[in-house]
Amino acid sequence: DVKVTQSSRYLVKRTGEKVFLECVQDMDHENMFWYRQDPGLGLRLIYFSYDVKMKEKGDIPEGYSVSREKKERFSLILESASTNQTSMYLCASSSWTSGRLNEQFFGPGTRLTVL
Amino acid sequence: DAKTTQPTSMDCAEGRAANLPCNHSTISGNEYVYWYRQIHSQGPQYIIHGLKNNETNEMASLIITEDRKSSTLILPHATLRDTAVYYCIDVKTSYDKVIFGPGTSLSVIP
Repeated sequence: DVKVTQSSRYLVKRTGEKVFLECVQDMDHENMFWYRQDPGLGLRLIYFSYDVKMKEKGDIPEGYSVSREKKERFSLILESASTNQTSMYLCASSSWTSGRLNEQFFGPGTRLTVL
Repeated sequence: DAKTTQPTSMDCAEGRAANLPCNHSTISGNEYVYWYRQIHSQGPQYIIHGLKNNETNEMASLIITEDRKSSTLILPHATLRDTAVYYCIDVKTSYDKVIFGPGTSLSVIP
């Protein structure tokens, strides 16, 4: 089975701290995604990556950066955490088949609270 | 902004079929229809996908209209464990953003 793991289920940080959220997948997927989820807003795409060292902005990249140095790992970085970044963060990965993006496999999520 | 539109919430009696609609007003010829669901406190889970034809797997059936502007996910015999938020999304066959909308919150009632 595909497994997507995230470094923490719950995280509490203070305003202004630099925060790293780590995501690892074990199925050699080319594509990895970071979303945040807030009540009533569904999943909003922050960043995605279709290859190592490649990154593309999603809908809400402001205040975030990402790193993909290895194929299996995709890190989300909050350079200076703010209270409005309190949210559930979800990582996902997927592969390609004949030019079509396959289904995404999601991790369990990290609930981040910024005080 | 989400490219698909869904009702905010629906109820279904346990054991009955749950029919969840989705409008794909901007879908293009190379976009697939995907359905996911998210049970409380878990990450979303893939259910089914299709392009033009109706599809069925062990979890659900997917009906896509001929003009592809709408689809319906059918859970044939809903159980309490099917209570979740259901998302429909359009996925291109190229590098592009994948956008999830707010989804439909399905409550299966005993």
